[in-house]
Amino acid sequence: EPEVTQTPSHQVTQMGQEVILRCVPISNHLYFYWYRQILGQKVEFLVSFYNNEISEKSEIFDDQFSVERPDGSNFTLKIRSTKLEDSAMYFCASSSTSGSLNEQFFGPGTRLTVL
Amino acid sequence: GENVEQHPSTLSVQEGDSAVIKCTYSDSASNYFPWYKQELGKRPQLIIDIRSNVGEKKDQRIAVTLNKTAKHFSLHITETQPEDSAVYFCAASDNNNDMRFGAGTRLTVKP
Repeated sequence: EPEVTQTPSHQVTQMGQEVILRCVPISNHLYFYWYRQILGQKVEFLVSFYNNEISEKSEIFDDQFSVERPDGSNFTLKIRSTKLEDSAMYFCASSSTSGSLNEQFFGPGTRLTVL
Repeated sequence: GENVEQHPSTLSVQEGDSAVIKCTYSDSASNYFPWYKQELGKRPQLIIDIRSNVGEKKDQRIAVTLNKTAKHFSLHITETQPEDSAVYFCAASDNNNDMRFGAGTRLTVKP
C-alpha cells in the first residue's frame, strides 16, 4: 500500500539555522499538507498546497516558513531561522481530493529539535 | 476559523466496556470529520470519518455520529481491547482543506 514518506526522521539544529524537511506524498495525490505537533499536544495545521501554490495557511505559518514542490515527487517545508519553540514533530500529509472527500494520509513525521 | 473542542482529555475503561469521545466544532461550513488514532511516537492513523450528509457511520467496533444542528460529533468504541489504548484525535475541515484537530483523548483500556 502506498505511503507518505518523510526525511529525516530526526533533525537537530542550532537556533537561528535554516532547516528543510522533506516529504514524498503518495504519487497520485494532488493536495499536500504540513502539520506540527509539539510533544504531548494536539496536531496543528500549518499549510495546505495545491497546484503549486499555497491554498490555506494557519496563523502559525509566518514568514519564517515556506513550502515548495521542487520536482514531481518532493514536497518540502523550510524554516528559515529556527527558534526553540519550533521544536516539534512535523507531519506531512497528502490527499487525492479536497473538501468533503478529504481523506488525508500522514507520513511518519520528522522530529525537529532546536538547541 | 474553525475551533474544535474534544472531551474528555483522558478516559480509562475496563476491557470489554465501551468508550465514547465527544467533539464540538464552531464553523458551520465544516463538512468532513475524521477521527485519528495515534500511538506513542507514531503518525496519526485515520480510523473512521464521516461527511456532513451522513448522521452515523459504523465500521465493526467503531462508530461515529454527527449532529450538524448542534455541531457535535462523537466516536464510539465497543468491546474495547487493550490494543485500543492510544490517543484519539477528532478533526474538522471544510472545502478549504485547513483541517483543525481537537486536543486529543488518551484512552487506556485496562485488561
